[in-house]
Amino acid sequence: KNEVEQSPQNLTAQEGEFITINCSYSVGISALHWLQQHPGGGIVSLFMLSSGKKKHGRLIATINIQEKHSSLHITASHPRDSAVYICAVRSDKLIFGTGTRLQVFP
Amino acid sequence: DAGVIQSPRHEVTEMGQEVTLRCKPISGHNSLFWYRQTMMRGLELLIYFNNNVPIDDSGMPEDRFSAKMPNASFSTLKIQPSEPRDSAVYFCASTLWENTEAFFGQGTRLTVV
Repeated sequence: KNEVEQSPQNLTAQEGEFITINCSYSVGISALHWLQQHPGGGIVSLFMLSSGKKKHGRLIATINIQEKHSSLHITASHPRDSAVYICAVRSDKLIFGTGTRLQVFP
Repeated sequence: DAGVIQSPRHEVTEMGQEVTLRCKPISGHNSLFWYRQTMMRGLELLIYFNNNVPIDDSGMPEDRFSAKMPNASFSTLKIQPSEPRDSAVYFCASTLWENTEAFFGQGTRLTVV
């Protein structure tokens, strides 16, 4: 079993929909990262969380340390949000989830 | 700042050749990370440095891989000799401190034939 599990693996949505991507982990962590990788390959760090919730524009990330779970929400999704979203946790090293491929259609 | 700069963007080399990937972190950042991404294994952390000192190289696949950070503004990842299974995209990232937001370079796509 992977130490970091993401769901769903693939997600399609219509423009404007509210999207949730989940990340569960089984190790003790000091921080959790949400990354975005566009089809061109570049990786952008969206959030780094150690507790609570962070918001940046239409993106919201939450983490529940007790439940070892984090969610990434996208409000009013747009085709430009189409990308792979990767959850990564830092325990003694950085462990990556396998990613969630999101496609938003107009 | 121009962000994290990696070079080259693409590298095609023959099996057995030495390959050197380069990374310039964001000025003032103290931590630098090298990652590898493949379809089969996804993203993997190879090694990271704090203040130019290697902290964890447990992700380096084997002795053919080596990484250096001679100063705060430059790091290299070397593969010698290269093998086809080393073909991947190699990313470098830097952070202000070990546990802060990471900024990634554009990656180097390595193809070993």
